[in-house]
Amino acid sequence: AQSVTQLGSHVSVSEGALVLLRCNYSSSVPPYLFWYVQYPNQGLQLLLKYTSAATLVKGINGFEAEFKKSETSFHLTKPSAHMSDAAEYFCAVRATSGTYKYIFGTGTRLKVLA
Amino acid sequence: DAGVIQSPRHEVTEMGQEVTLRCKPISGHDYLFWYRQTMMRGLELLIYFNNNVPIDDSGMPEDRFSAKMPNASFSTLKIQPSEPRDSAVYFCASSRGRDRASYEQYFGPGTRLTVT
Repeated sequence: AQSVTQLGSHVSVSEGALVLLRCNYSSSVPPYLFWYVQYPNQGLQLLLKYTSAATLVKGINGFEAEFKKSETSFHLTKPSAHMSDAAEYFCAVRATSGTYKYIFGTGTRLKVLA
Repeated sequence: DAGVIQSPRHEVTEMGQEVTLRCKPISGHDYLFWYRQTMMRGLELLIYFNNNVPIDDSGMPEDRFSAKMPNASFSTLKIQPSEPRDSAVYFCASSRGRDRASYEQYFGPGTRLTVT
Protein backbone atom coordinates (compact mmCIF):
# COMPACT_ATOMS: atom_id res chain seq x y z
CA ALA A 1 0.00 0.00 0.00
CA GLN A 2 1.14 3.49 -0.72
CA SER A 3 1.53 6.18 1.89
CA VAL A 4 3.06 9.59 2.31
CA THR A 5 4.52 11.20 5.42
CA GLN A 6 5.01 14.90 5.91
CA LEU A 7 7.43 15.73 8.70
CA GLY A 8 6.42 18.76 10.69
CA SER A 9 2.82 19.87 10.88
CA HIS A 10 3.97 23.47 11.39
CA VAL A 11 7.03 25.19 9.94
CA SER A 12 8.06 28.81 10.55
CA VAL A 13 10.61 30.69 8.48
CA SER A 14 11.66 34.29 8.26
CA GLU A 15 10.85 36.27 5.16
CA GLY A 16 13.71 35.78 2.70
CA ALA A 17 14.86 32.51 4.27
CA LEU A 18 14.93 29.10 2.66
CA VAL A 19 11.71 27.11 2.75
CA LEU A 20 12.06 23.33 3.14
CA LEU A 21 8.98 21.15 3.55
CA ARG A 22 9.60 17.44 3.86
CA CYS A 23 7.73 14.59 2.22
CA ASN A 24 8.60 10.90 2.23
CA TYR A 25 6.62 8.30 0.39
CA SER A 26 6.18 4.57 0.60
CA SER A 27 5.58 2.67 -2.61
CA SER A 28 6.74 -0.57 -4.16
CA VAL A 29 7.47 1.25 -7.42
CA PRO A 30 8.20 4.93 -8.05
CA PRO A 31 4.84 6.64 -8.01
CA TYR A 32 3.56 9.93 -9.26
CA LEU A 33 4.08 12.66 -6.67
CA PHE A 34 2.47 16.05 -6.19
CA TRP A 35 2.64 19.11 -4.00
CA TYR A 36 -0.50 21.16 -3.47
CA VAL A 37 -1.00 24.44 -1.63
CA GLN A 38 -4.14 25.49 0.21
CA TYR A 39 -4.76 29.10 1.15
CA PRO A 40 -7.35 29.86 3.85
CA ASN A 41 -10.92 29.09 2.82
CA GLN A 42 -9.84 27.86 -0.60
CA GLY A 43 -9.43 24.57 -2.42
CA LEU A 44 -6.11 22.90 -3.12
CA GLN A 45 -3.99 24.24 -5.96
CA LEU A 46 -1.28 22.26 -7.72
CA LEU A 47 2.25 23.57 -7.11
CA LEU A 48 4.19 20.92 -9.03
CA LYS A 49 4.21 17.27 -10.00
CA TYR A 50 6.65 14.44 -10.64
CA THR A 51 5.58 11.96 -13.29
CA SER A 52 8.82 10.07 -13.96
CA ALA A 53 10.44 12.66 -16.19
CA ALA A 54 13.09 14.98 -14.73
CA THR A 55 13.84 14.37 -11.06
CA LEU A 56 14.10 18.09 -10.31
CA VAL A 57 10.70 19.60 -10.83
CA LYS A 58 9.99 23.31 -10.96
CA GLY A 59 6.58 24.62 -10.06
CA ILE A 60 4.72 27.84 -9.66
CA ASN A 61 5.63 30.70 -7.33
CA GLY A 62 9.32 29.78 -7.32
CA PHE A 63 8.89 26.38 -5.66
CA GLU A 64 10.73 23.26 -6.73
CA ALA A 65 11.06 19.68 -5.54
CA GLU A 66 13.54 16.90 -6.14
CA PHE A 67 12.56 13.26 -6.46
CA LYS A 68 15.13 11.05 -4.71
CA LYS A 69 14.39 7.39 -5.18
CA SER A 70 17.16 6.23 -2.82
CA GLU A 71 15.67 8.31 -0.01
CA THR A 72 12.02 7.89 -1.07
CA SER A 73 11.69 11.63 -0.67
CA PHE A 74 10.11 14.50 -2.54
CA HIS A 75 10.93 17.58 -0.46
CA LEU A 76 9.60 21.00 -1.45
CA THR A 77 11.94 23.99 -1.43
CA LYS A 78 11.95 27.68 -2.20
CA PRO A 79 15.13 29.77 -1.92
CA SER A 80 13.49 32.86 -0.44
CA ALA A 81 10.19 32.91 1.45
CA HIS A 82 7.60 35.61 0.83
CA MET A 83 4.81 36.58 3.17
CA SER A 84 2.37 35.38 0.52
CA ASP A 85 3.73 31.82 0.85
CA ALA A 86 1.99 31.40 4.20
CA ALA A 87 -0.45 28.54 3.61
CA GLU A 88 -0.87 24.82 4.13
CA TYR A 89 1.06 22.49 1.87
CA PHE A 90 0.11 18.93 1.03
CA CYS A 91 2.21 16.19 -0.50
CA ALA A 92 0.31 13.49 -2.41
CA VAL A 93 1.16 10.18 -4.04
CA ARG A 94 -0.62 8.25 -6.76
CA ALA A 95 0.12 4.86 -8.21
CA THR A 96 1.36 4.77 -11.79
CA SER A 97 -1.17 2.10 -12.69
CA GLY A 98 -4.26 0.39 -11.43
CA THR A 99 -5.84 3.17 -9.44
CA TYR A 100 -6.39 6.86 -9.72
CA LYS A 101 -6.59 7.30 -5.96
CA TYR A 102 -4.39 9.95 -4.46
CA ILE A 103 -3.09 9.54 -0.94
CA PHE A 104 -2.55 12.91 0.72
CA GLY A 105 -0.21 13.69 3.57
CA THR A 106 -1.46 15.36 6.71
CA GLY A 107 -0.24 18.76 5.58
CA THR A 108 2.37 21.27 6.76
CA ARG A 109 1.28 24.74 7.72
CA LEU A 110 3.92 27.29 6.71
CA LYS A 111 4.20 30.50 8.66
CA VAL A 112 6.38 33.33 7.30
CA LEU A 113 7.71 35.78 9.84
CA ALA A 114 8.38 39.40 8.95
CA ASP B 1 -12.36 27.44 -18.17
CA ALA B 2 -14.38 28.15 -15.05
CA GLY B 3 -12.71 25.43 -12.99
CA VAL B 4 -14.52 23.01 -10.71
CA ILE B 5 -17.72 24.55 -9.40
CA GLN B 6 -19.27 23.55 -6.10
CA SER B 7 -22.49 24.63 -4.49
CA PRO B 8 -23.44 25.72 -1.98
CA ARG B 9 -20.26 27.25 -0.56
CA HIS B 10 -21.67 27.15 2.95
CA GLU B 11 -24.41 24.98 4.38
CA VAL B 12 -25.79 25.04 7.90
CA THR B 13 -28.37 22.45 8.78
CA GLU B 14 -29.87 20.72 11.78
CA MET B 15 -29.13 17.18 12.77
CA GLY B 16 -31.38 14.72 10.97
CA GLN B 17 -31.87 16.84 7.88
CA GLU B 18 -30.88 15.77 4.38
CA VAL B 19 -27.95 17.60 2.83
CA THR B 20 -27.05 17.64 -0.87
CA LEU B 21 -23.76 18.98 -2.12
CA ARG B 22 -23.26 19.65 -5.81
CA CYS B 23 -20.29 19.63 -8.14
CA LYS B 24 -19.67 20.53 -11.76
CA PRO B 25 -16.29 19.21 -12.97
CA ILE B 26 -14.11 20.83 -15.58
CA SER B 27 -15.40 20.12 -19.06
CA GLY B 28 -13.57 17.19 -20.67
CA HIS B 29 -12.42 15.68 -17.38
CA ASP B 30 -13.42 12.05 -17.00
CA TYR B 31 -12.51 11.52 -13.34
CA LEU B 32 -14.35 13.08 -10.42
CA PHE B 33 -13.40 12.83 -6.75
CA TRP B 34 -15.19 13.73 -3.52
CA TYR B 35 -13.06 14.51 -0.45
CA ARG B 36 -13.80 15.50 3.12
CA GLN B 37 -11.42 17.68 5.14
CA THR B 38 -11.45 17.97 8.93
CA MET B 39 -8.89 19.07 11.47
CA MET B 40 -8.85 15.65 13.07
CA ARG B 41 -8.70 13.43 10.01
CA GLY B 42 -7.17 15.66 7.37
CA LEU B 43 -8.13 15.16 3.73
CA GLU B 44 -10.00 11.92 3.09
CA LEU B 45 -11.10 10.52 -0.26
CA LEU B 46 -14.73 9.48 -0.07
CA ILE B 47 -15.44 8.22 -3.58
CA TYR B 48 -14.30 8.65 -7.14
CA PHE B 49 -15.95 8.20 -10.54
CA ASN B 50 -14.62 7.45 -13.99
CA ASN B 51 -16.86 8.24 -16.93
CA ASN B 52 -19.76 8.71 -14.51
CA VAL B 53 -19.31 5.24 -12.98
CA PRO B 54 -18.30 4.89 -9.30
CA ILE B 55 -14.95 3.14 -9.16
CA ASP B 56 -14.02 3.18 -5.49
CA ASP B 57 -16.38 4.13 -2.67
CA SER B 58 -14.39 2.53 0.12
CA GLY B 59 -13.97 5.90 1.79
CA MET B 60 -17.66 6.57 2.19
CA PRO B 61 -18.10 6.56 5.95
CA GLU B 62 -21.47 4.82 6.18
CA ASP B 63 -24.79 4.25 4.49
CA ARG B 64 -25.93 7.74 5.31
CA PHE B 65 -23.63 8.96 2.56
CA SER B 66 -24.38 8.46 -1.11
CA ALA B 67 -22.96 9.94 -4.31
CA LYS B 68 -24.20 10.02 -7.86
CA MET B 69 -22.97 11.23 -11.20
CA PRO B 70 -25.89 11.23 -13.63
CA ASN B 71 -23.86 12.81 -16.42
CA ALA B 72 -20.37 14.06 -17.21
CA SER B 73 -21.04 17.57 -15.95
CA PHE B 74 -22.76 16.99 -12.63
CA SER B 75 -22.32 15.06 -9.40
CA THR B 76 -24.00 15.09 -6.01
CA LEU B 77 -22.98 13.97 -2.55
CA LYS B 78 -25.92 13.38 -0.26
CA ILE B 79 -26.00 12.87 3.49
CA GLN B 80 -29.23 11.56 4.97
CA PRO B 81 -29.73 11.94 7.86
CA SER B 82 -26.97 14.38 8.74
CA GLU B 83 -25.15 14.31 12.09
CA PRO B 84 -22.94 16.88 13.85
CA ARG B 85 -19.85 14.71 13.18
CA ASP B 86 -20.41 15.25 9.45
CA SER B 87 -19.40 18.89 9.86
CA ALA B 88 -16.42 19.40 7.57
CA VAL B 89 -15.32 20.97 4.31
CA TYR B 90 -16.25 18.82 1.34
CA PHE B 91 -14.19 19.17 -1.81
CA CYS B 92 -14.86 18.01 -5.31
CA ALA B 93 -11.96 17.53 -7.72
CA SER B 94 -11.68 16.42 -11.32
CA SER B 95 -8.92 15.20 -13.60
CA ARG B 96 -8.38 14.09 -17.15
CA GLY B 97 -7.30 10.49 -17.19
CA ARG B 98 -6.72 10.10 -20.91
CA ASP B 99 -3.97 12.71 -21.11
CA ARG B 100 -0.77 11.24 -19.69
CA ALA B 101 0.60 14.71 -19.04
CA SER B 102 -2.34 15.77 -16.94
CA TYR B 103 -2.57 13.48 -13.95
CA GLU B 104 -3.17 16.28 -11.52
CA GLN B 105 -6.48 16.87 -9.85
CA TYR B 106 -8.18 20.24 -9.97
CA PHE B 107 -10.05 21.14 -6.81
CA GLY B 108 -13.18 23.17 -6.33
CA PRO B 109 -13.47 25.82 -3.60
CA GLY B 110 -15.25 23.43 -1.25
CA THR B 111 -18.52 23.39 0.66
CA ARG B 112 -18.29 24.12 4.36
CA LEU B 113 -20.96 22.03 6.07
CA THR B 114 -22.06 22.69 9.62
CA VAL B 115 -24.54 20.34 11.24
CA THR B 116 -25.98 21.60 14.52
